[in-house]
Formats: sequence, structure tokens, C-alpha cells
Amino acid sequence: NAGVMQNPRHLVRRRGQEARLRCSPMKGHSHVYWYRQLPEEGLKFMVYLQKENIIDESGMPKERFSAEFPKEGPSILRIQQVVRGDSAAYFCASSKAEGDRGAFFGSGTQLSVL
Amino acid sequence: GESVGLHLPTLSVQEGDNSIINCAYSNSASDYFIWYKQESGKGPQFIIDIRSNMDKRQGQRVTVLLNKTVKHLSLQIAATQPGDSAVYFCADGFQKLVFGTGTRLLVSP
Repeated sequence: NAGVMQNPRHLVRRRGQEARLRCSPMKGHSHVYWYRQLPEEGLKFMVYLQKENIIDESGMPKERFSAEFPKEGPSILRIQQVVRGDSAAYFCASSKAEGDRGAFFGSGTQLSVL
Repeated sequence: GESVGLHLPTLSVQEGDNSIINCAYSNSASDYFIWYKQESGKGPQFIIDIRSNMDKRQGQRVTVLLNKTVKHLSLQIAATQPGDSAVYFCADGFQKLVFGTGTRLLVSP
């Protein structure tokens, strides 16, 4: 009963490097959501994707951040030229369909920027 | 704009007590809410959800109440156990999940 799988669990990058975070949704789920969480704060919506489509990216920073969910393979959240302020936990959630909003979350990727 | 907020950042209870965690929302069009539990170092775990055509929904030891008039919902945990210690978030799932800051529940034996 595989849930939402995220990797890596921990990612350390130096300022200016690129970070790639991966998310494999639950079996049968075609909708993926990415969230960012700072310590002692709630989860902030970043982007909502379906296979090969970005549905809502209103929470994504305009620069350096991008996301994709290809036809085959996991969803990728990419952060270029990371800065210390990007350090956070990044969570991915998936759901079956747009009307099914009981999204289930992965364990997250903790990004640390040195 | 949309917002979901919690009234109390920390709630301390004794084992066996009932816990009530509150949440306010501002979007009157919101029609779907979810409560999540997040333990340290883990992702949010789905607890229970409720749609706006209901004012109460019960699960195992948990009950969610929805008051659309004052745009308020609550999560009630019966016979709270030490394993219930976590941060609890309500989320407005109208279009995308919008989370509040969360309430930390501390259960002492």
C-alpha cells in the first residue's frame, strides 16, 4: 500500500546550486500538489498539477521555481540558484481527481541551503 | 483573500480528557474542509473531512463540527491519548488546500 513517495528525504545545497525534489503520487492518483512549510508555520500552497499540465501555480515564486508532472515518472519541483531563504520542508500531496480533495501527503523533503 | 486561522497555538490536555481544536475561515464560498494531523518530521496525515452541506461528521474518536454562519469549524478528540500529541491543521479545500498555522496539542499522562 504505497503512499505518496518523496525523495530525497533530506537535501543539502550550497547557495547558487539547483535543487530537484521528486514526488511519486499514490497509485491511481493523477493530481499532484506541492506545499512549502517553514518551521512552526502552516503549509503554503505552491502549485497544482495534473499529468503534463500545470493547473494552478499561483503560489509559486515568479523566478527560480518550476514544477512539472510528466506523462511518465514523478512530479519534479525544481529550484534554481537556491538561496538560504529556500530552506524549508517541501511536501507533495496527491489525489485521484479534481473533485476528490482528500489529498494525501508524502513525508516531505527537507531542503537545507548552506 | 482566503485565510484559515486557528485560535490557539498550543493546547495542553491531560490523557483521557476531550480536546477541542478550533479553526476559522474567511471564504464564504468554501464548501469543503479537512483536518490534518502532523507529527514531528512527518507529512500531514488526513484525519477527517466535512462538506458544507453537513454540520457534523464523526469518525473514530474524532468529530468535526462546521458552523457556516460564523465560518468556524472545530475538531473534537475524545479520550485524548499521548499518541494524539501533534500539530493539527484545518484546511480549506474549496479550490486548493489552504492551511492555517496549526494548533499544537500536548497530551500529558
